[in-house]
Amino acid sequence: KAGVTQTPRYLIKTRGQQVTLSCSPISGHRSVSWYQQTPGQGLQFLFEYFSETQRNKGNFPGRFSGRQFSNSRSEMNVSTLELGDSALYLCASSSGTGDPGNTIYFGEGSWLTVV
Amino acid sequence: SQQGEEDPQALSIQEGENATMNCSYKTSINNLQWYRQNSGRGLVHLILIRSNEREKHSGRLRVTLDTSKKSSSLLITASRAADTASYFCAIERMDSSYKLIFGSGTRLLVRP
Repeated sequence: KAGVTQTPRYLIKTRGQQVTLSCSPISGHRSVSWYQQTPGQGLQFLFEYFSETQRNKGNFPGRFSGRQFSNSRSEMNVSTLELGDSALYLCASSSGTGDPGNTIYFGEGSWLTVV
Repeated sequence: SQQGEEDPQALSIQEGENATMNCSYKTSINNLQWYRQNSGRGLVHLILIRSNEREKHSGRLRVTLDTSKKSSSLLITASRAADTASYFCAIERMDSSYKLIFGSGTRLLVRP
């Protein structure tokens, strides 16, 4: 069974540009969530989608957005990039059924550098 | 802070020794999950322990959970150089499912 797949793995963008990151969850999983990891702030939750609906959202500005498609694949977009957006962006998938034993699996991440 | 807090922040041990990492949190939880991260890589899931469980094992890993003290520990027995990584605990709060709140992590170095 394939794991969580994220593309691209590495990218460099210029301040003011926008970026789109893609995530394919584990087959059968309907919940996809996104996290940002930086040395200063650690791992922080961005948002979570289930059946194309955002169920939960972290404390990030509106420049960070996401969406989920009918096949459960998800994208996140960051507009008007700032230097502080440089981070490892991690996608995670789970069944999303609310079971307390719901394991959340992560992908390898997308390294974004803003210059 | 609602985050899990881990200690120690860094741990250096000799191969073959045991490593213990601790995690504390502040809210009621559905579960607590432990992850490993090698430098620059994604998070590898190690163990999930539900709020009604007290101990779980997986190979050389043992996780305990004390909900009265709001704390958990991860024990790695007979450590290997390949165990060198950062280890994170993450809680799923009872009032906020599908969202993990991570601790700051423990950096483990296993010396050959």
